[in-house]
Amino acid sequence: QKEVEQNSGPLSVPEGAIASLNCTYSDRGSQSFFWYRQYSGKSPELIMSIYSNGDKEDGRFTAQLNKASQYVSLLIRDSQPSDSATYLCAGKPQGGSEKLVFGKGMKLTVNP
Amino acid sequence: GAVVSQHPSWVICKSGTSVKIECRSLDFQATTMFWYRQFPKQSLMLMATSNEGSKATYEQGVEKDKFLINHASLTLSTLTVTSAHPEDSSFYICSARSLPGLEVYEQYFGPGTRLTVT
Repeated sequence: QKEVEQNSGPLSVPEGAIASLNCTYSDRGSQSFFWYRQYSGKSPELIMSIYSNGDKEDGRFTAQLNKASQYVSLLIRDSQPSDSATYLCAGKPQGGSEKLVFGKGMKLTVNP
Repeated sequence: GAVVSQHPSWVICKSGTSVKIECRSLDFQATTMFWYRQFPKQSLMLMATSNEGSKATYEQGVEKDKFLINHASLTLSTLTVTSAHPEDSSFYICSARSLPGLEVYEQYFGPGTRLTVT
């Protein structure tokens, strides 16, 4: 069973702080990973994709991938109340299947 | 990013009737689309994978005769909930991935359709 595990959360940080979200995955052959943000009552929105080991930065967001340790993380710098949402980690397992495996999500609250 | 639309955004229907939900990729061609269901405060649940021009692949436990999927073109997939019952009330979300290319694999979600069966 190919799985993606996220910390159960919820996570609460003050405005301006760094929020750190982590997930681990079981399929060592997975090559592609994604972070989605889902506001309450809305559908998920792709915010970061990462395919190579190391860091990938986009504005206040940094995704980190460590294939040897099989973990993916998302750092949100200068957190804003508008970042409050559920964050979903997803991976694409190795093989022909097109579907993604999602973690259960972590709810982030940024307190003003 | 790529844009995926869904129609309708919400629908209320009576028990026993059928409801069709459309999913369109607006600015890219999608060989593969996915249908998810999400109950309140729960995780996304993949229902089926839809490939253009072929039969959908359903996840275990999803009734293919109840949830009919058609992917007739590279920009349109439809989900029909047949003989809907109150327990089918949920948030249905489609997603689409672009045509295969290099190492890029990205899946974009539509805004979702909220179905209420009375």
